[in-house]
Amino acid sequence: NAGVTQTPKFQVLKTGQSMTLQCAQDMNHNSMYWYRQDPGMGLRLIYYSASEGTTDKGEVPNGYNVSRLNKREFSLRLESAAPSQTSVYFCASSVARGVYGYTFGSGTRLTVV
Amino acid sequence: DAKTTQPTSMDCAEGRAANLPCNHSTISGNEYVYWYRQIHSQGPQYIIHGLKNNETNEMASLIITEDRKSSTLILPHATLRDTAVYYCTLVSNFGNEKLTFGTGTRLTIIP
Repeated sequence: NAGVTQTPKFQVLKTGQSMTLQCAQDMNHNSMYWYRQDPGMGLRLIYYSASEGTTDKGEVPNGYNVSRLNKREFSLRLESAAPSQTSVYFCASSVARGVYGYTFGSGTRLTVV
Repeated sequence: DAKTTQPTSMDCAEGRAANLPCNHSTISGNEYVYWYRQIHSQGPQYIIHGLKNNETNEMASLIITEDRKSSTLILPHATLRDTAVYYCTLVSNFGNEKLTFGTGTRLTIIP
């Protein structure tokens, strides 16, 4: 089992460019999440999808959009990248909402110049 | 408004037990204590969770005080691969999409 797979692992964008971060899980989990992690700030939730067909904003949704393509895949799109979006992005999944452990991907390191 | 507080850093000798404390004095009755760790440059990894009873799995043990205001994660025989940042967080059984990590405890295992 691969768990949670994120692509790409590294990306450099110019300000104003767009891109989509891909995430797929093979554990038949219902819930999926996108987080960003900045130095000294822990994890911050961008968007989540409690189940297939639903998405909701987290703490820091501005500048991002998401798509829950199917049960396995949850993508994060930056429409017009800004230097403030330079971060490490983690996708995670869990069986469902509630008290279940999260499985995280290995992250996408994004630099916007 | 951190709901948990942890020491910034700790050292532990290889082969010894590593005891990582966490204070959560305002924990609610429906909140579980969760522990994750993050090894450098990797995604966070789930370790263990509990409500009020002590828990043990293949990775660690979790000791929760009777009043639930604090807990301790125990790695019984620490190895160099346990060097990581350890996060203690609270998760409500009503659903908590906003899993939040503070800055955690940076544990260094000393050879």
